[in-house]
Amino acid sequence: KAGVTQTPRYLIKTRGQQVTLSCSPISGHRSVSWYQQTPGQGLQFLFEYFSETQRNKGNFPGRFSGRQFSNSRSEMNVSTLELGDSALYLCASSRVGGGNTEAFFGQGTRLTVV
Amino acid sequence: GENVEQHPSTLSVQEGDSAVIKCTYSDSASNYFPWYKQELGKRPQLIIDIRSNVGEKKDQRIAVTLNKTAKHFSLHITETQPEDSAVYFCAVLNNAGNMLTFGGGTRLMVKP
Repeated sequence: KAGVTQTPRYLIKTRGQQVTLSCSPISGHRSVSWYQQTPGQGLQFLFEYFSETQRNKGNFPGRFSGRQFSNSRSEMNVSTLELGDSALYLCASSRVGGGNTEAFFGQGTRLTVV
Repeated sequence: GENVEQHPSTLSVQEGDSAVIKCTYSDSASNYFPWYKQELGKRPQLIIDIRSNVGEKKDQRIAVTLNKTAKHFSLHITETQPEDSAVYFCAVLNNAGNMLTFGGGTRLMVKP
């Protein structure tokens, strides 16, 4: 069974540009969450999607957005990139959104903004 | 929102010793508490979890204990090995089941 897949693995962008990251969950998993990981701030929750609906959003500016498709794949977009957006972006999928279920992480996309 | 604090931030032990990492949380309605291990350059991987209806869970050398009254839970690793060296994160799932809040992480170093 394939794990959570994130593409691309690495990205270098210039300040002011925008970027789109992709996450393909484990087959049968309908919940996808996104996290930003930085050395100073640890793992910060961005948002969670279930059945194409955003059910929760973390404390990030509106430049960070996402969506989920009918096949449960998810994308996140960051517009007007800032140097501080450089981080490892992780997505995690779980079988169902509600209740107590395990979340499995992708390998992440490392974004560098120059 | 949920607040999760994790201690210590770094922990160095001798091979064969035990290691204990503790997390406290703020939302008493939370009822699922996973632990993740992240090796350098790799994704976080779930190593053990506990639900609020039990006080302890064990899997070989790893155990987790939960005190719901005091709102804290701990990871215990016995007979540590060099391959246990990694960053460990505790997490708390909110009652709605749609957000994991992570502790700040503990860098565990096991010296051979």
